[in-house]
Amino acid sequence: DADVTQTPRNRITKTGKRIMLECSQTKGHDRMYWYRQDPGLGLRLIYYSFDVKDINKGEISDGYSVSRQAQAKFSLSLESAIPNQTALYFCATSDVTGGDIYNEQFFGPGTRLTVL
Amino acid sequence: AQSVAQPEDQVNVAEGNPLTVKCTYSVSGNPYLFWYVQYPNRGLQFLLKYITGDNLVKGSYGFEAEFNKSQTSFHLKKPSALVSDSALYFCAVRDMERSDMRFGAGTRLTVKP
Repeated sequence: DADVTQTPRNRITKTGKRIMLECSQTKGHDRMYWYRQDPGLGLRLIYYSFDVKDINKGEISDGYSVSRQAQAKFSLSLESAIPNQTALYFCATSDVTGGDIYNEQFFGPGTRLTVL
Repeated sequence: AQSVAQPEDQVNVAEGNPLTVKCTYSVSGNPYLFWYVQYPNRGLQFLLKYITGDNLVKGSYGFEAEFNKSQTSFHLKKPSALVSDSALYFCAVRDMERSDMRFGAGTRLTVKP
């Protein structure tokens, strides 16, 4: 979805390096999410944010941190990357109109991260 | 805890035949169910959802899904498959107790000419 962009699209890094993945959206949504996708495991939630001041841990937050710089921007950081963090990372947004729980999420194109 | 299962890793169908991609769920309260599709090198795209009401839900690209409460299932269907339907399909569930959306492992659909 062109309304949700992620940078970089691909990244190769080494064990122990700090890396940041960035997400921007023009949909005007308050809620933003970070997922990782691994083959055979589907998508797992890392962190989510209901607004700029509200950050919540997801299912697999260990080894990750996030920053919500503005309504439109939500960054994911790997403080010290390790090989098992090699995965496809997706940012998503959702609207709260009518109740967030009923609303679908809109995904960015993904960042393929390889940690050597 | 909420969860969703997609029992088939791979589904193969011939073009023009009907297709079904299976999904079962487990939640403590009322389920809110979603189907997404992922094409190569793309993010997930929303197809359809069940919130309440009619058990047969119609969505994008001619897809529909049937909610069955007694069988805790939400299978995705299409009457006539196209080669362009070949993709990875994800079922997801939410309930009132949690804010996150839980995804299944995905089913790869291949439609052969």
